[in-house]
Amino acid sequence: AIRMTQSPSSFSASTGDRVTITCRASQGISSYLAWYQQKPGKAPKLLIYAASTLQSGVPSRFSGSGSGTDFSLTISCLQSEDFATYYCQQYYNYPWTFGQGTKVEIK
Amino acid sequence: QVQLQQSGPGLVKPSQTLSLTCAISGDSVSSNNAAWNWIRQSPSRGLEWLGRTYYRSKWYNDYAVSVESRITIDPDTSKNQFSLHLKSVTPEDTAVYYCARDSSGWPQDYWGQGTLVTVSS
Repeated sequence: AIRMTQSPSSFSASTGDRVTITCRASQGISSYLAWYQQKPGKAPKLLIYAASTLQSGVPSRFSGSGSGTDFSLTISCLQSEDFATYYCQQYYNYPWTFGQGTKVEIK
Repeated sequence: QVQLQQSGPGLVKPSQTLSLTCAISGDSVSSNNAAWNWIRQSPSRGLEWLGRTYYRSKWYNDYAVSVESRITIDPDTSKNQFSLHLKSVTPEDTAVYYCARDSSGWPQDYWGQGTLVTVSS
């Protein structure tokens, strides 16, 4: 199975900050990479797919980039509702696998 | 708008079978474009894809190697739903279980609300 490694595991930030989360795949996955946001007690919400395509309804402050093995999720101006845990997922081949998550906390 | 509504017990005894159902509205379990997944989440395993069922002129299933000897996912076209059955459970199967749809090979875009299942005597 392809292993997905996110960094950092958690960090603190302030509203208005620009933040970046990285995700590395254990083998090349082209652009078959998705990002999810999860808040406590809720299911993950799809933010980005195909590494950089915003899911309908997702604010434009979210962006994704990368291909092959290295990817990133950037939030350009952190809002209060963005404090959550973020996961990357590869869907290049089965089993589709997730990263361990990055928790974004309020500083 | 697709909605997935999960149902099933929150407590299962060790060695018994965990069974959950996911009722679909706004789409069809028999869709030729969608696949219907079960995913679980626990502190020790993180998010773990368990398996899926999908229809492409006939029914197919894919299962994770970690559970393939114990898992069955089956569709119910009469009720437009699909179910997870995980047998011989142990406390390690304690997790929040989610059903989710993926469409045409894209990642899971609709999820159920999640069900916390605790395996304990």
